[in-house]
Amino acid sequence: EAQVTQNPRYLITVTGKKLTVTCSQNMNHEYMSWYRQDPGLGLRQIYYSMNVEVTDKGDVPEGYKVSRKEKRNFPLILESPSPNQTSLYFCASSRMGFDSPLHFGNGTRLTVT
Amino acid sequence: KNQVEQSPQSLIILEGKNCTLQCNYTVSPFSNLRWYKQDTGRGPVSLTIMTFSENTKSNGRYTATLDADTKQSSLHITASQLSDSASYICVVSAGSARQLTFGSGTQLTVLP
Repeated sequence: EAQVTQNPRYLITVTGKKLTVTCSQNMNHEYMSWYRQDPGLGLRQIYYSMNVEVTDKGDVPEGYKVSRKEKRNFPLILESPSPNQTSLYFCASSRMGFDSPLHFGNGTRLTVT
Repeated sequence: KNQVEQSPQSLIILEGKNCTLQCNYTVSPFSNLRWYKQDTGRGPVSLTIMTFSENTKSNGRYTATLDADTKQSSLHITASQLSDSASYICVVSAGSARQLTFGSGTQLTVLP
């Protein structure tokens, strides 16, 4: 089954403790991206990648890191999480065509205390 | 600054009724407009994608329209079902980069 898999689904951590949220897709998509979703603000792009070893900042990249060492994986790294990073995070992938739909994972709900 | 505004913020209708959701955007240069459906606790799922030259696009009971001159789009849902209860998100793509601007969504509730 074609899908984008995020792990974990839920994560509670403390301020400053490094964490990684994994994202993997099995559709051989070139494009992958990370978003955060906050009430009333909609989805905002954090980082995106157009191919292996090619990443770029989205609208809200501060406090986040990503890497794209393999085509299928695009982990999101929070080196020193803070409470304002408490949010619902989504990973998505698509082919590179402009009319290609994004395929989203089921989200990771992160709470930083 | 690119912006996407959706209205209404929330909508309650009875099963079997039709409804129309609105999306206004100020995104330049325009590439395409997408509508997604997001069920509670799940990731968004694509409904339609329209480019500049397309005025209407259907996906089953969902019909999206686009007026590129007035920078407005609508999503019409026909004969609503309980499973249509979800958030509907309008997304506009700008330029050659994969820069997407998301609306805040319209929360639709369909009651029996």
